[in-house]
Amino acid sequence: EAEVAQSPRYKITEKSQAVAFWCDPISGHATLYWYRQILGQGPELLVQFQDESVVDDSQLPKDRFSAERLKGVDSTLKIQPAELGDSAMYLCASMGMGNSPLHFGNGTRLTVT
Amino acid sequence: SQQGEEDPQALSIQEGENATMNCSYKTSINNLQWYRQNSGRGLVHLILIRSNEREKHSGRLRVTLDTSKKSSSLLITASRAADTASYFCATDLGGADGLTFGKGTHLIIQP
Repeated sequence: EAEVAQSPRYKITEKSQAVAFWCDPISGHATLYWYRQILGQGPELLVQFQDESVVDDSQLPKDRFSAERLKGVDSTLKIQPAELGDSAMYLCASMGMGNSPLHFGNGTRLTVT
Repeated sequence: SQQGEEDPQALSIQEGENATMNCSYKTSINNLQWYRQNSGRGLVHLILIRSNEREKHSGRLRVTLDTSKKSSSLLITASRAADTASYFCATDLGGADGLTFGKGTHLIIQP
């Protein structure tokens, strides 16, 4: 079964440094999401793409976070500068046509020291 | 903000027993979905129930939806050690919005 690929799997960075995460959705999935999940909590939506366009980034802290999906396929989420409170799991998900379920990658576990 | 809220936050039962988790939400929905997350992994979709459906089954899973009470329940029958995971409900309001997840129920199945 096709999977959503994410890398790196783990990332440790010092505060004030820049960090980037990569996601490759299931082939043909036009909708892509980035979620942030703090330990013990549910995922919270950061940004939603439809093809290469941002549909919803209302919860993205735009002073330090940016996301792009230039060719409407893979996507990159960047944090600059990282803060201690950014320590979390960053999950990417993609969705096929209509209101179908989300397919999640295994996430990037970020630790900011 | 989180639309759905699961109850209980944690549940520990013996293998073979049934596990029931509840989800309450605040606004009208298009559908409600349940996901499972094993420790350190991504979420896996379990079942989707539409707003005009009241009950749905998939293997050992049974989901109910009561739109008048804005609540849903997930029943796992004959639990197994491999069912140990966190379970999340997620609401779809329709339109272009993404899913909104609850805080989850952490289920532990004791052998």
